[in-house]
Amino acid sequence: DAKTTQPPSMDCAEGRAANLPCNHSTISGNEYVYWYRQIHSQGPQYIIHGLKNNETNEMASLIITEDRKSSTLILPHATLRDTAVYYCIVRVGGYGQNFVFGPGTRLSVLP
Amino acid sequence: DTGVSQDPRHKITKRGQNVTFRCDPISEHNRLYWYRQTLGQGPEFLTYFQNEAQLEKSRLLSDRFSAERPKGSFSTLEIQRTEQGDSAMYLCASSLEGTNTEAFFGQGTRLTVV
Repeated sequence: DAKTTQPPSMDCAEGRAANLPCNHSTISGNEYVYWYRQIHSQGPQYIIHGLKNNETNEMASLIITEDRKSSTLILPHATLRDTAVYYCIVRVGGYGQNFVFGPGTRLSVLP
Repeated sequence: DTGVSQDPRHKITKRGQNVTFRCDPISEHNRLYWYRQTLGQGPEFLTYFQNEAQLEKSRLLSDRFSAERPKGSFSTLEIQRTEQGDSAMYLCASSLEGTNTEAFFGQGTRLTVV
């Protein structure tokens, strides 16, 4: 089962920042937080990941709380093409090390 | 294009037939994953390989599902005696080894069993 909880849906106005929250209260010390998104009928697209420090790349910023029990993905200037399902994943360590997806957050960017 | 490639993109088959899907990972990636996704759900993990070794297969949905990666490069996923409930998107992903490495997904194969 996924170790994360996310709101099922969110709206954001075009050009504004989209802040997507994720709770992962049972995260272990060596487990990374990953974010992916999936636009309709396409494969999931990697966005960003981090352990405990905040991370930024050309797509987004990832803010992880000091206790690591929650994080926020920030899309600084949302566009209509950012409309997608966003998945927050805690990558399970150990033998499997696979990505366990939950239902994600459906972000709708509105004109 | 050096991303993950899946073939075919779409497959329609009659119930009871066998189907095979192919995945070509990013060339230097030694890990390869298979997922299934049904409408409205997140991807569901099925199995993964490290090089040619299948290290996790307990999540394969039934003994009708099997996967191979014979030379540690491309992989195939076979479904025998397909059922209507097998209709879904089958996704492949690849990554380097380690928990600090991102996986890249292909565009998937959409299977429809009629």
